[in-house]
Amino acid sequence: DAGITQSPRHKVTETGTPVTLRCHQTENHRYMYWYRQDPGHGLRLIHYSYGVKDTDKGEVSDGYSVSRSKTEDFLLTLESATSSQTSVYFCAISEVQSYGYTFGSGTRLTVV
Amino acid sequence: QQQVKQSPQSLIVQKGGISIINCAYENTAFDYFPWYQQFPGKGPALLIAIRPDVSEKKEGRFTISFNKSAKQFSLHIMDSQPGDSATYFCAARGTSGSRLTFGEGTQLTVNP
Repeated sequence: DAGITQSPRHKVTETGTPVTLRCHQTENHRYMYWYRQDPGHGLRLIHYSYGVKDTDKGEVSDGYSVSRSKTEDFLLTLESATSSQTSVYFCAISEVQSYGYTFGSGTRLTVV
Repeated sequence: QQQVKQSPQSLIVQKGGISIINCAYENTAFDYFPWYQQFPGKGPALLIAIRPDVSEKKEGRFTISFNKSAKQFSLHIMDSQPGDSATYFCAARGTSGSRLTFGEGTQLTVNP
C-alpha cells in the first residue's frame, strides 16, 4: 500500500521468543495504529500512537508493547510470544485521529 | 467497551444481485461510520463513509443507509460483481475523535 509498509510480511516463531514487527510510513501522518485480525473478531486495536513517544493502549494490549521514536516508524513487540498471538497484524496511519485510515498489507505471524 | 455488531458473517450473491450487510451499535455516541473493503492478502481499504446527520450516502454502486434512532447502518452493493468478492468491515468512531471500533467482518462472495 502506498506510503505504508510492514515488515516482515510473514514470520514463524517459537513460543517464548520475542518478536518485533515494524511499520514504516512516508506520509508524515501523526497517528499510527496496530491492529490484529482474527476470524470472528474483526479488527481489534492493540496500541496506537498520536505522536513521537506518545502511545496508548487499545482493547487487546496485554502481551504487547510499542515504541515510536520517529514519526515514520511504529514498532510492535511481543515480549514473549504465545500461541494465542498467532494472527495477522495490520498497521494503519491517519492524519486525523481515527479517521480515514490507510492500512498496510499486514504481517502474518505464526507462533509454534 | 463500545461494540459494533455486524451481520451476516458470510454472504453469497449472484452476479447482478444486491448485497446487503448490516451493522448495529450500542448505546454510545458515534460520529463517523466508515466501511472498509479487504481483498485476500491485502489490508482493508476505505470504501465509503457516512456521518449521522444524513440518512443515506451513495457512491457508484455502493450505498450506506443510516438509521440513527435504531442505531443501525447498512451497506448496499447494487449490481454486485465477482470483483466485489471481499471481506467488508463496518466501523464506528466515538465522538471527540476517539478510537475506531470495527465490526466482525462479512465475507462476500459474488458468483458469476
